[in-house]
Amino acid sequence: DIVMTQSPDSLAVSLGERATINCKSSQTILFDSNNKNYLVWYQQKPGQPPKVLINWASTRESGVPDRFSGSGSGTDFTLTISSLQAEDVAIYYCQQSYYTPFTFGGGTRVEVK
Amino acid sequence: QVQLQESGPGLVKPSETLSLICTVSGYSMSSTYYWGWIRQPPGKGLEWIGSIYDSENVYYNPSLKSRVTISVDTSKNQFSLEVRSVTAADTAVYFCARDKSASLYDAFDIWGQGTMVTVSS
Repeated sequence: DIVMTQSPDSLAVSLGERATINCKSSQTILFDSNNKNYLVWYQQKPGQPPKVLINWASTRESGVPDRFSGSGSGTDFTLTISSLQAEDVAIYYCQQSYYTPFTFGGGTRVEVK
Repeated sequence: QVQLQESGPGLVKPSETLSLICTVSGYSMSSTYYWGWIRQPPGKGLEWIGSIYDSENVYYNPSLKSRVTISVDTSKNQFSLEVRSVTAADTAVYFCARDKSASLYDAFDIWGQGTMVTVSS
């Protein structure tokens, strides 16, 4: 199985400041034939299902604010919230969709400092 | 718009079978998407259980494969999950979700609200 490791486990950021979450896969999730990284970022708020923010490591989903961005390739990925808003308080998960079993990172809790 | 809703018992006894149904509305199910089950133990992370396209194309997490069956009934616009011989470790919120495309290897873009299942005598 591909192990997804997120860091940090939690972080507290002041409103308007940048939040950075890291995700590392135990093997490459870059598919050479189409040059796509099979990496998804989700946001989960209490009592809600996860919501997809970013697909293919860096493609923002429709309707997702542009303060959310994804980067990285191969085994190392980053989700950045450029200017934290109160509504961004949530747990963020990365997931590899490269092959089964699909696996998720342990999650990163983002709070307001 | 497409909506998914999980249903089933909230309490299951140890060693018995957990059975859940996901009803899809706003879309006529056919062999155009993969549909999946994901679970989340209380206060913990997400675990993919398996995904189905049709009866010939079903994928399971090996960690659960011996105890799990996922099936689809397009005539009822539903797909279902069975987990046999449950233990307390199967206590979780169970989500059903849809793959973003006809490819198995894609994000889960539409989720149900989830249903809490507790395994206890």
